[in-house]
Amino acid sequence: KNEVEQSPQNLTAQEGEFITINCSYSVGISALHWLQQHPGGGIVSLFMLSSGKKKHGRLIATINIQEKHSSLHITASHPRDSAVYICAVSSNTGNQFYFGTGTSLTVIP
Amino acid sequence: NAGVMQNPRHLVRRRGQEARLRCSPVKGHSHVYWYRQLPEEGLKFMVYLQKENIIDESGMPKERFSAEFPKEGPSILRIQQVVRGDSAAYFCASSPYLAGEGYNEQFFGPGTRLTVL
Repeated sequence: KNEVEQSPQNLTAQEGEFITINCSYSVGISALHWLQQHPGGGIVSLFMLSSGKKKHGRLIATINIQEKHSSLHITASHPRDSAVYICAVSSNTGNQFYFGTGTSLTVIP
Repeated sequence: NAGVMQNPRHLVRRRGQEARLRCSPVKGHSHVYWYRQLPEEGLKFMVYLQKENIIDESGMPKERFSAEFPKEGPSILRIQQVVRGDSAAYFCASSPYLAGEGYNEQFFGPGTRLTVL
């Protein structure tokens, strides 16, 4: 079993839809990260959070430490949001970073 | 400020050759991580280095792979006698913080795509 599980694996949405990607983890963490990987392959860090909620533009990330769960929301989705979204956690017991397998999002015009 | 730089962006090697991947961290960052992304798979941690020190290499294959981060110059991930299964994207990230002692936001490079023929 992976330390980080994401769902769904693949997601197709119509432009304008509200999107939610979920992440569950099984290890103790110091922080949780949401990353975005575009078709060209580059990785961008979207959020790093250890509690509560963060918002950046149309993106919102929440985390529930007790339930070991985080969600990434995209409001008013746009085709340029099409990418792979990766959840990662940094372990609080060492130097390890654990990654989910990613959610491939396609937003159709 | 320049972000994390990796070169080359694409590298083609024949089986048995050596591959050297370079990573220049964000200026001022003294901690470097290497990750591998195999085709159709997620990112996997390989190694965590501080200047002149390997902090955690638990994700590195036992043979043929080595990494260094010298006092001067970029971090190098070296793969000797490459095999087809080494074909992957190799990402480097840098951080200004020591992992385990607080938030360690990482800044990723664009990756090096290694193809072994």
